[in-house]
Amino acid sequence: EADIYQTPRYLVIGTGKKITLECSQTMGHDKMYWYQQDPGMELHLIHYSYGVNSTEKGDLSSESTVSRIRTEHFPLTLESARPSHTSQYLCASSPGLAGGQETQYFGPGTRLLVL
Amino acid sequence: QQQVKQSPQSLIVQKGGISIINCAYENTAFDYFPWYQQFPGKGPALLIAIRPDVSEKKEGRFTISFNKSAKQFSLHIMDSQPGDSATYFCAASLGGATNKLIFGTGTLLAVQP
Repeated sequence: EADIYQTPRYLVIGTGKKITLECSQTMGHDKMYWYQQDPGMELHLIHYSYGVNSTEKGDLSSESTVSRIRTEHFPLTLESARPSHTSQYLCASSPGLAGGQETQYFGPGTRLLVL
Repeated sequence: QQQVKQSPQSLIVQKGGISIINCAYENTAFDYFPWYQQFPGKGPALLIAIRPDVSEKKEGRFTISFNKSAKQFSLHIMDSQPGDSATYFCAASLGGATNKLIFGTGTLLAVQP
């Protein structure tokens, strides 16, 4: 089982609040990803990172921002939460081709509800 | 061209039966095709994956069949068990520096005892 952690697991918050979703991995993977997934629906990539100090926007436009100051840590921040941000957020990491495989390992997710 | 189309949306199979989920893609540059299994409240977990130079890959009760000319691939679950009840996602990757995955829309599988 992959060692990738997300906190909090569940978050209920009011509109306009700033939130940070934490993601950390202990595998030393260079590549990390954030996906947004509505219940029972497909995963949409919203951010990814090649390594420290590299971040890119994904295929689905998102008002969130990310940072990658340490290899193991890839937090996602929403400056002002809105009900449209209600969703599940999944973090993943991958050793990439340099690590010999392309598998992405997923965390358990954070389920966010914005009232 | 970046889409991966998955069917069916949901599937009910009797215990011991064969579950078959299909995916199709357009971009011939995809070079890695994983299947993920997701249980409620959990993140997706890699089940099995294949590259386009192989037509079939089997791991236990799970088999991927890959048809490069038709740009289709499918997951077969033999002797389906109630514990297999989950949502299954196919995906495709262009590999390279980003290793981004494009996911299908998912199939909710229910295996009845």
